[in-house]
Amino acid sequence: GAGVSQSPSNKVTEKGKDVELRCDPISGHTALYWYRQRLGQGLEFLIYFQGNSAPDKSGLPSDRFSAERTGESVSTLTIQRTQQEDSAVYLCASSLAGRDYGYTFGSGTRLTVV
Amino acid sequence: KQEVTQIPAALSVPEGENLVLNCSFTDSAIYNLQWFRQDPGKGLTSLLLIQSSQREQTSGRLNASLDKSSGRSTLYIAASQPGDSATYLCAATHFGNEKLTFGTGTRLTIIP
Repeated sequence: GAGVSQSPSNKVTEKGKDVELRCDPISGHTALYWYRQRLGQGLEFLIYFQGNSAPDKSGLPSDRFSAERTGESVSTLTIQRTQQEDSAVYLCASSLAGRDYGYTFGSGTRLTVV
Repeated sequence: KQEVTQIPAALSVPEGENLVLNCSFTDSAIYNLQWFRQDPGKGLTSLLLIQSSQREQTSGRLNASLDKSSGRSTLYIAASQPGDSATYLCAATHFGNEKLTFGTGTRLTIIP
């Protein structure tokens, strides 16, 4: 596609429920990243994919968070047993082959846990 | 651990003025540094990417500089316009990993 697409754009969920956030990167981009932006705070790195492998998962805050990627395409970020502190905007970015090529970000998914 | 700081957190400038946004980082061993703008409710738009071997990059009215020795980068905006109003973020990457370390941003308002 022309840009990075994320869905849903907004998600309200009850505490304790599981949620799935989806990211469609730009076609041909091998690198994919997830970031989280809590209200009034900076962006936090969550996970990096190269192809369908994840060489850096160091930013996942707990074992309730997981992510997968199908080939060099769609990625899903799953949060199990959501907590109120998970409320944030979750941003996905893709890159042609990594940091030398810059990043294109999606518009994000705003997650609210009530 | 790399820390990236942007001061001030907010800035208001009359239309037409030139302005400079500042970004400081604690670890000078960066791989590259990027400047982004973020509009309310939208994702990030990449503005300029400076590799560690470069001193500056220019795009239109924007000029970004990088001084690794002092741990600083600046974004210069010439002849500011109301459409430049946004939050500006700088972010650094480092050798050995792919993640961006972001500053907390400067919220810029251009007053017509």
